Formats: sequence, C-alpha cells, structure tokens
Amino acid sequence: KQEVTQIPAALSVPEGENLVLNCSFTDSAIYNLQWFRQDPGKGLTSLLLIQSSQREQTSGRLNASLDKSSGRSTLYIAASQPGDSATYLCAPRLNKLSFGAGTTVTVRA
Amino acid sequence: GAGVSQSPSNKVTEKGKDVELRCDPISGHTALYWYRQRLGQGLEFLIYFQGNSAPDKSGLPSDRFSAERTGESVSTLTIQRTQQEDSAVYLCASSSQGAHSGELFFGEGSRLTVL
Repeated sequence: KQEVTQIPAALSVPEGENLVLNCSFTDSAIYNLQWFRQDPGKGLTSLLLIQSSQREQTSGRLNASLDKSSGRSTLYIAASQPGDSATYLCAPRLNKLSFGAGTTVTVRA
Repeated sequence: GAGVSQSPSNKVTEKGKDVELRCDPISGHTALYWYRQRLGQGLEFLIYFQGNSAPDKSGLPSDRFSAERTGESVSTLTIQRTQQEDSAVYLCASSSQGAHSGELFFGEGSRLTVL
C-alpha cells in the first residue's frame, strides 16, 4: 500500500515569500504524480501533473519536481499571495491515486 | 459539460436510509473514480471504473456501498442503511486517458450528513 507523507502539515508566511511543500511516498513505481489544491468546503483543483519520466513541471508561479527513485516531490510556489491560501495535496499514482494529508498554507497580507 | 458535475451537493438523511449520489464525468473521459473525505481527514479511495473493464472495488468499506457506471457516462454511488460514520464528502473524479497516465479532474463533491 502506498503511504504518502506531506511536510509541513501547516505553514504560515507573509505575502511575497516563496513556499516549499514536500511530499514523500513509499512505493516509487509510480506512473505519475499530481498536485492539487483544496479550498475549504470545495473539491480539488488540479495544479500540476508530472509523468514518471519527467523531473519537473512548471505552471506560472508553480514548479513541481519529482525524484521518483527516492520517492520525493516538491512543490515550489514563488512570490506567494493571499489567494494561495489553501490546502495542497500530493497524489502519486500506482493503479490509483493515493493522497497525503496535505499541507495547509496561510499567506498573510 | 465543462467539468465534473456531482449531485446532490448536500444531502441530510436519517440513519438507516439509503442514499444515491450521482457523478457526471467530463464528456469523453473513460476513467472515473470515487473518493471519500471525512471531516479533517485525507481522501480515501472507494472505487475506480475504466471503460468497460471490471471496476476496481477494493476501496469500498462494506457491502452497504455499491457503485454503477454504464459505459463512459454517469456513475451512481449507493449507500444502503446509512450509518453516522458514513457522514463525509464524496468526491468524484474523471480522466481522459487510461488508468495510469491521465490528469484527474474532481467535482465539487456531495456532502452527506447522516443524523
């Protein structure tokens, strides 16, 4: 069974700081890994999808890296804004997505 | 449709009643997943459909839970004889590609409260 750990569990930063969110997983034989954000009371919004053959993926201020062999992925958010406040979830895929508990981010104005 | 659509968005029921939750995937998406999220907890996999293949039911917590999908269209998740521990948000997701490669898109969820 895939175990997914996200560190830190919570993070509070002033606006403008860069964010670093860490994800580790136990089974490295994944096909891909997806990062999501979840706002309170809402569903999940896909942020980035990294295929197992890729090392990183970028979208705007977001950059995700993947080190499949060591079972790690990192999500970087540059120049954080209050609108980035949400819970961020990492989901590596074997035959299905497994989710970590998430990192709850608060960006203070 | 433009996204994954789930209904009802909220459902309050009495213990022992049956409930049906519906998911309309993005048109053309062959893969469909159901997940459950209890308050303050992570997502739990329930069931996965891929085209006409036999579904992966390995996450269903008990025989009170069942799900159906006809072809590549709507799916319904049924919970019989609901219990208070069934209270959760039930999330549906769909993907345009096969089991292993496609990006998943989630609906807003159906919030179930069992009194």
